[in-house]
Amino acid sequence: KNQVEQSPQSLIILEGKNCTLQCNYTVSPFSNLRWYKQDTGRGPVSLTIMTFSENTKSNGRYTATLDADTKQSSLHITASQLSDSASYICVVSDRGSTLGRLYFGRGTQLTVWP
Amino acid sequence: EADIYQTPRYLVIGTGKKITLECSQTMGHDKMYWYQQDPGMELHLIHYSYGVNSTEKGDLSSESTVSRIRTEHFPLTLESARPSHTSQYLCASSVTVGGYTFGSGTRLTVV
Repeated sequence: KNQVEQSPQSLIILEGKNCTLQCNYTVSPFSNLRWYKQDTGRGPVSLTIMTFSENTKSNGRYTATLDADTKQSSLHITASQLSDSASYICVVSDRGSTLGRLYFGRGTQLTVWP
Repeated sequence: EADIYQTPRYLVIGTGKKITLECSQTMGHDKMYWYQQDPGMELHLIHYSYGVNSTEKGDLSSESTVSRIRTEHFPLTLESARPSHTSQYLCASSVTVGGYTFGSGTRLTVV
C-alpha cells in the first residue's frame, strides 16, 4: 500500500534554532517528492521538489534531502523564524498513471516560539 | 501575475442549502483538482479534470459535483449541504506530473 508517514507529528522550537522533519514513504513507482509549507487556513505552497536522482535541494533556509534507496526524506530548517510556524507536508508522486497521483503525509505542525 | 484563486475564503451556511465553491486559474493549466482536508489530516482527492469537458471522481467519495466548461474555471457544487460537509476545500492545478499549484482554500462550515 502506497503511504507517506511523517514525524514528528508536532514540534516546538525556539526562534533561531534549527530543526529536521522526517518523511518515510512506500510509494512505488516513485516519480518525485515535494515538501510543502501550509500556513493555517491557507493552501500548501511548494518549498522543494526532488526526483529520483537528486539527493539534496535547498531553498533559502530550507534544505531537503532524499534517499531513494531507503525511501526517506528530511527537511532541515536553519535559523528558524516565527514565520516558519506552519504545517510542513511531504508529498510523493508516482509515475504509474497519467494522473501522476499524489500521496500526502499528514504533516508536521511546527511552532516557533520567540 | 499567474495564480489560482478560490472564493469564498470562508462560508457558513445552513443545512440543505445549495452552494458552489469557485476556483479559477490564470496559468492555462489543463489539469485541475479538488481536495478535501480536515484539521490535522492529509489532503484527499475528491475530483479532478484533465481538460475541458473532462471530470473524474477522486479517491474520497464525495456528494459534490464539478464541471469544467472553460480551461480556467473548475467550480464545485453541493446540492444540499450537510454538517458532514464541514471541511476545508482546496483547489489545485498543474501542467506537469506532481507540479501542483494550490489555491488558498475555502473553509466551509455547515450548521
